[in-house]
Amino acid sequence: EVQLLESGGGLVQPGTSLRLSCAASGFNFETNAMSWVRQASGKGLEWVSSISGWGYDKKYANSVKGRFTISRDNSKNTVYLQMNGVRAEDTAVYYCATTGDSNTVVNYHPMDVWGLGTTVTV
Amino acid sequence: DIQMTQSPATLSASVGDRVTITCRASHSISDWLAWYQQKPGKAPKLLIYMKSRLQTGVPSRFSGSGSGTEFTLTISSLQPDDFATYYCQHYDGFPWTFGQGTKVEIK
Repeated sequence: EVQLLESGGGLVQPGTSLRLSCAASGFNFETNAMSWVRQASGKGLEWVSSISGWGYDKKYANSVKGRFTISRDNSKNTVYLQMNGVRAEDTAVYYCATTGDSNTVVNYHPMDVWGLGTTVTV
Repeated sequence: DIQMTQSPATLSASVGDRVTITCRASHSISDWLAWYQQKPGKAPKLLIYMKSRLQTGVPSRFSGSGSGTEFTLTISSLQPDDFATYYCQHYDGFPWTFGQGTKVEIK
């Protein structure tokens, strides 16, 4: 069974940094792209970032480009989201999700399986 | 960026009703469209991808159609478990964007 468990959320001050983690199990992690999607309270879904299976290809939403960095450690089956210079508008539940077969690039693929989310409050 | 617009924002329906939700893209997205269901306090769940392909385990009362810039999600006979918020999402180039959501409420 595919499982994703996010962690690292919390209450932080504007301008500071935070690193989210998503531990994966139940599938071949290194051949799957991974994504982060966020949702502010009572609002809709916003795609944040995606990373290819081998970590070479990274994509970002304009709202986080230059502030957030996605990375992964395939030896630990974990994907990360480093959030620098956080702002009040970054307050949200952050979900990680599997995003299809991938080696070097993030392919056009929906987000198949989602974690439970971790809450970030700025 | 491609904008995704869903309608209606809220839909009131009864068990057994046929329900249709529309999603319009600001530019053609070919068939790169997904639909998700989200219940309060829960993570989204993928229902449909490639505009009309049912994700494994999703009941056949859900169906998707459309092309280019206009797409629909149809629930043929609404069940109690279907009361939720539904989102469309394009994945035809980056950035990926979602519609604003359609809440299906009990009438």
